[in-house]
Amino acid sequence: QVPLVQSGAEVKKPGASVKVACKASGYTFTAYYMHWVRQAPGQGLEPMAWTNPHRRDTKVAQKFQGRVTLTTDTSTDTAYMELRGLRPDDTATYFCASGLRGGAYYYAMDVWGQGTTVTVSS
Amino acid sequence: QAVVTQEPSLTVSPGGTVTLTCASSTGAVTADHYSYWFQQKPGQAPTTLIYDTIEKHSWTPARFSGSLRGGKAALTLSGAQPEDEAEYHCLLSFGGVVSDSELSYSGDRYVVFGGGTKLTVL
Repeated sequence: QVPLVQSGAEVKKPGASVKVACKASGYTFTAYYMHWVRQAPGQGLEPMAWTNPHRRDTKVAQKFQGRVTLTTDTSTDTAYMELRGLRPDDTATYFCASGLRGGAYYYAMDVWGQGTTVTVSS
Repeated sequence: QAVVTQEPSLTVSPGGTVTLTCASSTGAVTADHYSYWFQQKPGQAPTTLIYDTIEKHSWTPARFSGSLRGGKAALTLSGAQPEDEAEYHCLLSFGGVVSDSELSYSGDRYVVFGGGTKLTVL
């Protein structure tokens, strides 16, 4: 069973917002750190933000501050990442990645979602 | 913020051994950087091979191992298989120390990916 399943591809116009979903199954994901990472076409991995609702520990990388909001819906075991003010250079595949250890392991990325492609174009 | 550097590309013969490294611009990589290694094949999400420098997940093939070597994090592949041809990414953590499942830190915490190593099995 795949523990993290993400929402489908999105096409957005510049200036719009996108909200990517990451549904967990088989474990209490709110006890673990959830990271959001993106990968532009042909490029490396770029960390965007992390959150641990149980520990009330959320951090957004400086580059994305003011544009990224992380939320969780415990009734559906789903984490969300919203990116606002989209630009063409936000075109990328967005991944969620979760730790599998409870506690303070803020850096843990043990299992990954399949990725959500976001295309920003006018 | 630190810059993390990996070899851009390496080649290994089938059945051979190769070591990939991960260096930090801030100095020697230590256990407190909690290095991770990920394998990513084209069009797929990353999968986690190594965490906390040397630890393996249940799904990590035994031919992969992690270590610290010469002030860098290292991933060694012993007995390369054709299916090991992929991009390998390392991740280092900065600013936080986890001890007895508790986190201590002062100042900023962040994680940084290396640029990735394209490994060819040929």
